[in-house]
Amino acid sequence: DAGVIQSPRHEVTEMGQEVTLRCKPISGHNSLFWYRQTMMRGLELLIYFNNNVPIDDSGMPEDRFSAKMPNASFSTLKIQPSEPRDSAVYFCASSWAHGYEQYFGPGTRLTVT
Amino acid sequence: SQQGEEDPQALSIQEGENATMNCSYKTSINNLQWYRQNSGRGLVHLILIRSNEREKHSGRLRVTLDTSKKSSSLLITASRAADTASYFCATGLIQGAQKLVFGQGTRLTINP
Repeated sequence: DAGVIQSPRHEVTEMGQEVTLRCKPISGHNSLFWYRQTMMRGLELLIYFNNNVPIDDSGMPEDRFSAKMPNASFSTLKIQPSEPRDSAVYFCASSWAHGYEQYFGPGTRLTVT
Repeated sequence: SQQGEEDPQALSIQEGENATMNCSYKTSINNLQWYRQNSGRGLVHLILIRSNEREKHSGRLRVTLDTSKKSSSLLITASRAADTASYFCATGLIQGAQKLVFGQGTRLTINP
């Protein structure tokens, strides 16, 4: 079975541009999580969905960040406008249910110049 | 403040030795999980221990949980070069229990 799929794997963009990261969770999983990882702040949870509904977006840094999950097999994380401090590796993860392990995608390395 | 904190931050041992990493947390939990991350890759789930369990084994991995001390340890026995990675503990909180709070990780280096 395919794991969590993320695209693109690498993204380099200029400050002010819109960035869209994509995620396809494992089929049958009903929870999806977006994380950001940096050396300074470690791994931070940005937002998570349960059955396509956003449950907790308290980790979203500011209004420039938005996430959607239009159906059970697809989610996007959008940054508009992007800033150099958004440079990080963004991970998507999915899980079967409460209290179960999370399966991580390979991540998208975002560089904003 | 960080919910889960790993100790030590970095650990370097010889191949064949055992590696022990510790995790402390602050609030009550539903479960505690350990993950491994190889450089440039996503995290991989290793083992989950629930709050009513005290010890769990999986291959060369042994995890303990002491809820009275709010701490857990991960023991990797007979380490191999391939075990070189960062190891993270993650706590599943009772409130908002679906989300995990990750620590900063322990960077483990196994020297051949």
